[in-house]
Amino acid sequence: EVQLVQSGAEVKKPGESLKISCKGSGYSFTSYWIGWVRQMPGKGLEWMGIIYPGDSDTRYSPSFQGQVTISADKSISTAYLQWSSLKASDTAMYYCASGVSSPYVWYFDYWGQGTLVTVSS
Amino acid sequence: SSELTQDPAVSVALGQTVRITCQGDSLRSYYASWYQQKPGQAPVLVIYGKNNRPSGIPDRFSGSSSGNTASLTITGAQAEDEADYYCNSRDSSGNPQFGGGTKLTVL
Repeated sequence: EVQLVQSGAEVKKPGESLKISCKGSGYSFTSYWIGWVRQMPGKGLEWMGIIYPGDSDTRYSPSFQGQVTISADKSISTAYLQWSSLKASDTAMYYCASGVSSPYVWYFDYWGQGTLVTVSS
Repeated sequence: SSELTQDPAVSVALGQTVRITCQGDSLRSYYASWYQQKPGQAPVLVIYGKNNRPSGIPDRFSGSSSGNTASLTITGAQAEDEADYYCNSRDSSGNPQFGGGTKLTVL
């Protein structure tokens, strides 16, 4: 059974750093993209970035370039999303998802349960 | 702003057919995929590629495309289909993009 299990909810103060995780199991972690998706309260899905754990190829949405860092440790089948200095506007639910890319389609077939990040002073 | 455009809200009577659309230039070249998200839950893939359903997705869900518009059709909508629906495609750089989402109400 394919599973993506994310780390637990976080409550942080503005300016603090944070790294959340997404552990894959039940499939070849190095053969599929992992994407991170933000969902602010009451809003839609926003693609933040993707990483291919097999070769660490990483791409960022222009909206998130320079704001977050995506990484992966294929030895433990885990992807990460990190911030160096959080802002209140980073308060959101963050999902990881396994991604399939082909010449004619892109889709996220399995999703983590989400990690709620709350940033408040 | 999203490069894939969806109607913010759509409603359908119980048992009737509803079409949810997604418009964008990238859809002339690439297929859309569709996700269902219920309150408090992670999104679930319901349609991908030309018209493929993952295991466990009812066959009342189908996908189609014409020109710059992709459509998700629910034939015989059920109460449990009430949810937010998002389209997703790839851009010319090979990266994913999402539509703004459509809230489906089943009356």
